[in-house]
Amino acid sequence: DAGVTQSPTHLIKTRGQQVTLRCSPKSGHDTVSWYQQALGQGPQFIFQYYEEEERQRGNFPDRFSGHQFPNYSSELNVNALLLGDSALYLCASIITGQSNEQFFGPGTRLTVL
Amino acid sequence: DAKTTQPPSMDCAEGRAANLPCNHSTISGNEYVYWYRQIHSQGPQYIIHGLKNNETNEMASLIITEDRKSSTLILPHATLRDTAVYYCIVRAFPISSGSARQLTFGSGTQLTVLP
Repeated sequence: DAGVTQSPTHLIKTRGQQVTLRCSPKSGHDTVSWYQQALGQGPQFIFQYYEEEERQRGNFPDRFSGHQFPNYSSELNVNALLLGDSALYLCASIITGQSNEQFFGPGTRLTVL
Repeated sequence: DAKTTQPPSMDCAEGRAANLPCNHSTISGNEYVYWYRQIHSQGPQYIIHGLKNNETNEMASLIITEDRKSSTLILPHATLRDTAVYYCIVRAFPISSGSARQLTFGSGTQLTVLP
């Protein structure tokens, strides 16, 4: 059983560009959350998707948007990239209302130059 | 969710028990204590959680004080592979579909297991 997978592993962009990151949840999981982890800090919650809708959102600007597909996979889009968007972006999945444990993917390392 | 306080770093000798403390003095009655760890360059990994009773699984033990204002994660026989950042998180348990709660991470404790 594959766990949470994310693509790409690494990505380099320049300021002002747009980026799309992808996440496939663990088999059977229906809820996907995205986190941003800057160097030396703990992960910060961006938003969560369930039933193809954004259900919760952290303190991130609307340059950060997402999508969930019928197969529960998800995308994170970031527009107008800033140098400060450089971070490890983590995806986590869970079975809503049933599980104590969120499963995290390995992350996508985004570098903005 | 209640705020947690952890020491920024700790060392432990390989084969000895590692005891990682966490203060959560503002915890409320419906909030659980969760522990995750993050090995360098990997995603966080769930370790254990508890409400008020002590808990044990194959990875660790969780001791919660009677007033629930603090807890200790115990790795009984630390190995080099246990070197990681350990996060203590307080969070209410999800009660219905669509309400899986976010995890609020602090800075965690960098545990270094020494040979």
